[in-house]
Amino acid sequence: EVQLVESGGGLVQPGGSLRLSCAASGFTFKSYEMNWVRQSPGKGLEWLSYISVSGGTIYYADSVKGRFTVSRDNANNSLHLQMDSLRAEDTAVYYCARGMTTLAYWGQGTLVTVSS
Amino acid sequence: DIVMTQTPLSSPVTLGQPASISCRSSQSLVHSDGNTYLSWFQQRPGQPPRLLIYKISNRFSGVPDRFSGSGAGTDFTLKISRVETEDVGVYYCMQGTQFPRTFGRGTKVEIK
Repeated sequence: EVQLVESGGGLVQPGGSLRLSCAASGFTFKSYEMNWVRQSPGKGLEWLSYISVSGGTIYYADSVKGRFTVSRDNANNSLHLQMDSLRAEDTAVYYCARGMTTLAYWGQGTLVTVSS
Repeated sequence: DIVMTQTPLSSPVTLGQPASISCRSSQSLVHSDGNTYLSWFQQRPGQPPRLLIYKISNRFSGVPDRFSGSGAGTDFTLKISRVETEDVGVYYCMQGTQFPRTFGRGTKVEIK
């Protein structure tokens, strides 16, 4: 069974940093592209970032470009999102999701709250 | 960026009756490889999104056959043939043809 489990969320002050992780199991992680998607409270879905199987191709949404960095550790079946210079508008549930042209599997999400 | 426009934003439906959601993209979703990467997701209250349909009309594993997708180019439709209680939630379309990936704003399906 495919499982994606996010962790690392929490309360952080504006301007602070946080590193999210996504632990993958039930499939060959190194063979699949991965993404981060977020959902602000009561709002819709916003795609944030994509990383290819090798990590050699990466894309970001303009809203996080230059502040967020996606990476993956294929040896340990994990995906990461380093979030710097956090703003109040980054408050959201952050999901990792597997796929390239669609998002076939999603984790349960981890809540990030940016507030003083 | 490709803008995805969903209508309606809300759809009250009687149990057992059909429901239809439209999604229009600001430009063609036909990829250079010939495929059209339009997906539909369901998000039940308190749950993460779940893939229903990919490449316009392909049902994902475990998705009931009352869900169907159609369309081409820039106009797409998700249909639920007979709405059941478990179908309550918000439905999103997403294009996977071009980066950045973009979602529609969502359509809330609720029971009348």
